[in-house]
Amino acid sequence: AQSVTQLDSHVSVSEGTPVLLRCNYSSSYSPSLFWYVQHPNKGLQLLLKYTSAATLVKGINGFEAEFKKSETSFHLTKPSAHMSDAAEYFCVVTPGGAGGFKTIFGAGTRLFVKA
Amino acid sequence: ETGVTQTPRHLVMGMTNKKSLKCEQHLGHNAMYWYKQSAKKPLELMFVYSLEERVENNSVPSRFSPECPNSSHLFLHLHTLQPEDSALYLCASSQWEGTEAFFGQGTRLTVV
Repeated sequence: AQSVTQLDSHVSVSEGTPVLLRCNYSSSYSPSLFWYVQHPNKGLQLLLKYTSAATLVKGINGFEAEFKKSETSFHLTKPSAHMSDAAEYFCVVTPGGAGGFKTIFGAGTRLFVKA
Repeated sequence: ETGVTQTPRHLVMGMTNKKSLKCEQHLGHNAMYWYKQSAKKPLELMFVYSLEERVENNSVPSRFSPECPNSSHLFLHLHTLQPEDSALYLCASSQWEGTEAFFGQGTRLTVV
């Protein structure tokens, strides 16, 4: 069975400090993993993706994520938060070889950035 | 701008009305999706179309009726909705099922 768990519903950081958004997944096959960001009243935008190539994936806006198979994790990080990073972030898993209807979204983590 | 356009952006409708949501993509993608996003709930996949054929209907009530006339367009026809159907409806497309999806801005639907 496939599942994805975002361990924090809310994360609050100060501007200029590191960001860590945690995601654990469960998949029977080699999964593809994604992080999306959603700003208020907007659609979701792809930040980065892992598809069985390099385990450290770099995305847009300075974000990166590391695929750790032994820990079944795909945490999202950024060295220094910016006010514009305040948004909701979704971790997504698609099991290898499965169709899009098997894609599973996490419940989301809302990131607050304090000045 | 992701290349996926949804109209209208906002819609208020009564429970006896009939309306349609429209989604358009010119990315050459072969799969299109409807999602429902309600407050404090995970994103819910409603429908998946691949090569214009519906491949998944996630137990969605019949008051929601999708239509995919060609690979670039996707509609969601609405009739006799309930207040609990108020939500943000997101359309997405991807090259193939399971590859990264590109989302539209969504239609904010309010049922009164």
